[in-house]
Amino acid sequence: DVKVTQSSRYLVKRTGEKVFLECVQDMDHENMFWYRQDPGLGLRLIYFSYDVKMKEKGDIPEGYSVSREKKERFSLILESASTNQTSMYLCASNSLTGERNEQFFGPGTRLTVL
Amino acid sequence: DQQVKQNSPSLSVQEGRISILNCDYTNSMFDYFLWYKKYPAEGPTFLISISSIKDKNEDGRFTVFLNKSAKHLSLHIVPSQPGDSAVYFCAADYQGGKLIFGQGTELSVKP
Repeated sequence: DVKVTQSSRYLVKRTGEKVFLECVQDMDHENMFWYRQDPGLGLRLIYFSYDVKMKEKGDIPEGYSVSREKKERFSLILESASTNQTSMYLCASNSLTGERNEQFFGPGTRLTVL
Repeated sequence: DQQVKQNSPSLSVQEGRISILNCDYTNSMFDYFLWYKKYPAEGPTFLISISSIKDKNEDGRFTVFLNKSAKHLSLHIVPSQPGDSAVYFCAADYQGGKLIFGQGTELSVKP
């Protein structure tokens, strides 16, 4: 089974803190994605990566950065957390050779910024 | 600009009856669509998909219909079961490998 894991299920941080969200997949997928899910807005793409050390902005990259030093790991960084970044964060991965565009998701990290 | 829209935030259905979840899109370049199911405190899981060269795809109790001229797709669940209660997201392929998601519809199946 494809497994995507995220480092924390729940996280509480203070405004201005630097926050790291980690995601690891065990299926040797080339592509990895970070989304946030907010009520009434669905899943919105923050950043994605097609390969190690490669990254591209999604639809809402402001306030975020990412790092992909190894193929299996994709990190989302909030440089200075703000209350409007309180959200559910979801990591996903897929393969260019797999079932077309099916993305496999981790369990999510519920981040609260106070 | 919401390119994929699910206009019904919620839907309530009786167990055993049909659930129909709807999704509209605006970009005619989308050529592949997926439905995901999400339980609270879990990540979305893939349910069913359809290519734009087809108008129907069926998998057990789940059927997805695509009407390209109307830029509309729907997910039918027959018969609905209480375990189907979840949030359902439709998604469209965008620039190969990226997906654009709708806002989600929360389905509640009552015993």
